[in-house]
Amino acid sequence: GESVGLHLPTLSVQEGDNSIINCAYSNSASDYFIWYKQESGKGPQFIIDIRSNMDKRQGQRVTVLLNKTVKHLSLQIAATQPGDSAVYFCAEISGDMRFGAGTRLTVKP
Amino acid sequence: DAGVIQSPRHEVTEMGQEVTLRCKPISGHDYLFWYRQTMMRGLELLIYFNNNVPIDDSGMPEDRFSAKMPNASFSTLKIQPSEPRDSAVYFCASSLEISGRDNEQFFGPGTRLTVL
Repeated sequence: GESVGLHLPTLSVQEGDNSIINCAYSNSASDYFIWYKQESGKGPQFIIDIRSNMDKRQGQRVTVLLNKTVKHLSLQIAATQPGDSAVYFCAEISGDMRFGAGTRLTVKP
Repeated sequence: DAGVIQSPRHEVTEMGQEVTLRCKPISGHDYLFWYRQTMMRGLELLIYFNNNVPIDDSGMPEDRFSAKMPNASFSTLKIQPSEPRDSAVYFCASSLEISGRDNEQFFGPGTRLTVL
């Protein structure tokens, strides 16, 4: 299940650094958001979600921030590891689900 | 549980042929989703079912595409006739709920379809 190819935004970080992946969503009525991780050859994997009545939610090594004013979502990964290398994309839900194009994260050892 | 199971993993066919993709959701999940992923368009929701009933098929590109869920443990996505532009990876996902804490969607490994 390769997700994308040559035209994705890319982020390259050093192992151990923090990563921030950004996503702009389109529908101000969207009330639920999800971040997915997709490794090469695999299907997307749920990472973390957040509802529109929140502006921050934390998981294990990951934090999602939601700014409804500017319709912006970010995923922060603390102490990035080589296993975090993947394509990350956000999804917004307002009745239907729409996915962002994705960002390719590469972690350098 | 083995997770969401899809078959085949790879399918190569010629334009005009019928293609059937298969999915077995996680047992107990009430929602099943079919997605298509391409380089140009990213990940797109095609259709989803709740308790075997199609709820939203607005993402189905055209009448050549059809999806069925005859029972809680099996769904098919059929393309007839297939065209080269249908080449993509097709994912099936399932979830307990569509909102709330149990809305996490579990994706299958995907079927890579190539239409020549």
